[in-house]
Amino acid sequence: KQEVTQIPAALSVPEGENLVLNCSFTDSAIYNLQWFRQDPGKGLTSLLLIQSSQREQTSGRLNASLDKSSGRSTLYIAASQPGDSATYLCAVRPNSNYQLIWGAGTKLIIKP
Amino acid sequence: DGGITQSPKYLFRKEGQNVTLSCEQNLNHDAMYWYRQDPGQGLRLIYYSQIVNDFQKGDIAEGYSVSREKKESFPLTVTSAQKNPTAFYLCASGLGVQETQYFGPGTRLLVL
Repeated sequence: KQEVTQIPAALSVPEGENLVLNCSFTDSAIYNLQWFRQDPGKGLTSLLLIQSSQREQTSGRLNASLDKSSGRSTLYIAASQPGDSATYLCAVRPNSNYQLIWGAGTKLIIKP
Repeated sequence: DGGITQSPKYLFRKEGQNVTLSCEQNLNHDAMYWYRQDPGQGLRLIYYSQIVNDFQKGDIAEGYSVSREKKESFPLTVTSAQKNPTAFYLCASGLGVQETQYFGPGTRLLVL
């Protein structure tokens, strides 16, 4: 059974730092992996989607990588800003079905 | 404006009462989803629908019911059989079950 883990559960860093959020999954047979952002009490916004054949995707200051063999994905945020404060969730779509399997998220706080 | 709307933002349920959460999208998406989010946990799938007049149970369908009579609408009913309904409920839609999901703003359900 596919399981997705995000560690740490919370992270606080000063503004301007580059940072990495981690996502690990137990079964490498995935169709794709997505990173989402969730602001407090709000819905989710899709940030990046990486297909299983891809190694990374970039959007602005965000870069997501995927290493299927080790069951890991990272979300790199460059030059962090207070507006980046949110919870970041990763979700894996297995090859075997249509359901997304979700991590519990990392709550990120960027201190001004 | 294209998007997904959920109403109400907050909903209060009394013991033994059924309540219905609304989800509407004007993105012309075939697939729609209902998730439940509890603190410290990943999103869990309640029901999903790939096409009008068809829907499938997710991992935690017990105590919930849905209908998909129109492409734009996917209402979720929380029945009295759901003994622990307090949670944040998120609706999502996508072009297909393997495509990116777009989320509504969520409904927070509380029990009186």
